[in-house]
Amino acid sequence: GENVEQHPSTLSVQEGDSAVIKCTYSDSASNYFPWYKQELGKGPQLIIDIRSNVGEKKDQRIAVTLNKTAKHFSLHITETQPEDSAVYFCAASLGGYQKVTFGIGTKLQVIP
Amino acid sequence: DAGVIQSPRHEVTEMGQEVTLRCKPISGHDYLFWYRQTMMRGLELLIYFNNNVPIDDSGMPEDRFSAKMPNASFSTLKIQPSEPRDSAVYFCASSPPGGWGYSNQPQHFGDGTRLSIL
Repeated sequence: GENVEQHPSTLSVQEGDSAVIKCTYSDSASNYFPWYKQELGKGPQLIIDIRSNVGEKKDQRIAVTLNKTAKHFSLHITETQPEDSAVYFCAASLGGYQKVTFGIGTKLQVIP
Repeated sequence: DAGVIQSPRHEVTEMGQEVTLRCKPISGHDYLFWYRQTMMRGLELLIYFNNNVPIDDSGMPEDRFSAKMPNASFSTLKIQPSEPRDSAVYFCASSPPGGWGYSNQPQHFGDGTRLSIL
């Protein structure tokens, strides 16, 4: 089955700096890569996703890049704010299936 | 629109008792997922349904766990008998049918049930 590795497990940045979280996946047939943000006491919420037919997608301060050859994908958050502090999960999904495999999560702390 | 609704939000019970967790998916979503989240293992998929039919239950840890979806607006996850190692946060998620050209749609999570087995 699919295996998703995520790093770092924790990340501390100063407010205004950028944060980068990286993931790798094992199954070259995976074609859908969502990113979720989980705040304390809440369920994960989708923040951005990318499909395998594009290499990059942006939404305001958030961007995701995908390298299918290397089976890598990354989340970039620019101009970080204290409210960005949360746990972030990457995930990968095979085409034709709704089942996703999650990474272990990255706890991001933005220091004011 | 209402999101995925889970109940109860917290459950504390003694070992050996039956535990039932409930989920109401978003209307119109035809996929429903049950996950378990722990510090050690992260988010684990337990089982998922499509149109009320279980598709993959390979993540259900043991026969003590069972899940049902009697209709499109309700699902339960039952643990009987419960054990301390079942303590975790259990999430329900739903997703809509795949869009044209794509089969994968984002999952929408509820806020979970925090289960503590003493």
